[in-house]
Amino acid sequence: EIVLTQSPDTLSLSPGERATLSCRASHSVSSNYLAWYQQKPGQAPRLLIYGASSRATGIPDRCSGSGSGTDFSLTISRLEPEDFAVYYCQQYASSPWTFGQGTKVEIK
Amino acid sequence: QVQLQESGPGLVKPSETLSLTCNVSGYSISSGYYWGWIRQPPGKRLEWIGSLYHSGGAYYNPSLKSRVTISLDTSNNQVSLKVKSVTAADTAVYYCARKGRTGWFIDYWGQGTLVTVSS
Repeated sequence: EIVLTQSPDTLSLSPGERATLSCRASHSVSSNYLAWYQQKPGQAPRLLIYGASSRATGIPDRCSGSGSGTDFSLTISRLEPEDFAVYYCQQYASSPWTFGQGTKVEIK
Repeated sequence: QVQLQESGPGLVKPSETLSLTCNVSGYSISSGYYWGWIRQPPGKRLEWIGSLYHSGGAYYNPSLKSRVTISLDTSNNQVSLKVKSVTAADTAVYYCARKGRTGWFIDYWGQGTLVTVSS
């Protein structure tokens, strides 16, 4: 089973700043089968990125994904108020599909 | 716009069967895609339970496969989940979910429903 470790657990930033979230896999994630989700309190998760770097429908271009192998990242270039949330990565290269523990982006 | 809405008992007794239903609107489940369930125990990671395709394809998490049944009711456009012999470890928010077209990620989620296993 591929274990995903996200860092940091919490990121304290101000609106307008750049956020970089990390997702490290215990084994290589083949074909860059990695997705990112955003979840706000009381809401369903929302797909942001799939295939490590492809934005889902309606996701603004200030949000981008990168990486390969075992190291992936999600970058939000300029934080807007609606970006403060919890973010999860998920691999779908090897069954069982697994998720990271999440990174909370909070307002500083 | 695809929408998924879970429903079912919020409290289940240990050793009994947990049963949830997901009503899908905005898309006919018989038209394609895999439909299934993901859960998140309090303070723990999201866990993919399983997904089903209308013509018979299926994926189940090996850790849960022996206790889980997922079914599709195409007449009512619903997705169902049954987990038998539940314990406190099955306490979680359960999400109904649609698998993405190009891979095993989720492109649509329900709001989630909390199920507590307790006597």
